[in-house]
Amino acid sequence: DAKTTQPNSMESNEEEPVHLPCNHSTISGTDYIHWYRQLPSQGPEYVIHGLTSNVNNRMASLAIAEDRKSSTLILHRATLRDAAVYYCILRRNAGNMLTFGGGTRLMVKP
Amino acid sequence: NAGVTQTPKFRILKIGQSMTLQCTQDMNHNYMYWYRQDPGMGLKLIYYSVGAGITDKGEVPNGYNVSRSTTEDFPLRLELAAPSQTSVYFCASIRRREDQETQYFGPGTRLLVL
Repeated sequence: DAKTTQPNSMESNEEEPVHLPCNHSTISGTDYIHWYRQLPSQGPEYVIHGLTSNVNNRMASLAIAEDRKSSTLILHRATLRDAAVYYCILRRNAGNMLTFGGGTRLMVKP
Repeated sequence: NAGVTQTPKFRILKIGQSMTLQCTQDMNHNYMYWYRQDPGMGLKLIYYSVGAGITDKGEVPNGYNVSRSTTEDFPLRLELAAPSQTSVYFCASIRRREDQETQYFGPGTRLLVL
């Protein structure tokens, strides 16, 4: 199984950009890169996903390395409500399985 | 749409008891999943289903059973509860449309086995 590696925790100041890294050196050609976040006492929430090209949506941006062995989730202006655990996940095209890693706990300071 | 709903929200079981965790989605999604999350850890896949009548094991299926008789419902059965099954259980469903997919999670069921 392709695994992901993320830092255990990161800190950010409110209203500053945050770059959350993820390494996935064993990614296969058909694996999609997904990001979810989990706020305290809630179920995970979809953030963004991509395959090869960089992606933007209303919540965040996803920058994917050219060799696809790493990616970065970008929150353009962190708010206190963005404090959560962020999971970088690879989805196999075959079997439709999601494998969650340990995630990065993001702390946002006012 | 109510999205993904789970019942109960919280349950205490004695060792050896059985129970069914209910999961329902009203979005007509084909793919549904059951995860467990132990304290301070990430989610682990227990079982999943790609459509009514089709189920398959995930990473940690031992001690659990599932069924998928309808598109909407995906119950998870614990036959002989053990303390190791103390966890928060999340049900999820996926909408897939061409290259787009979003996974929706329920609010979770917190289970304590004593």
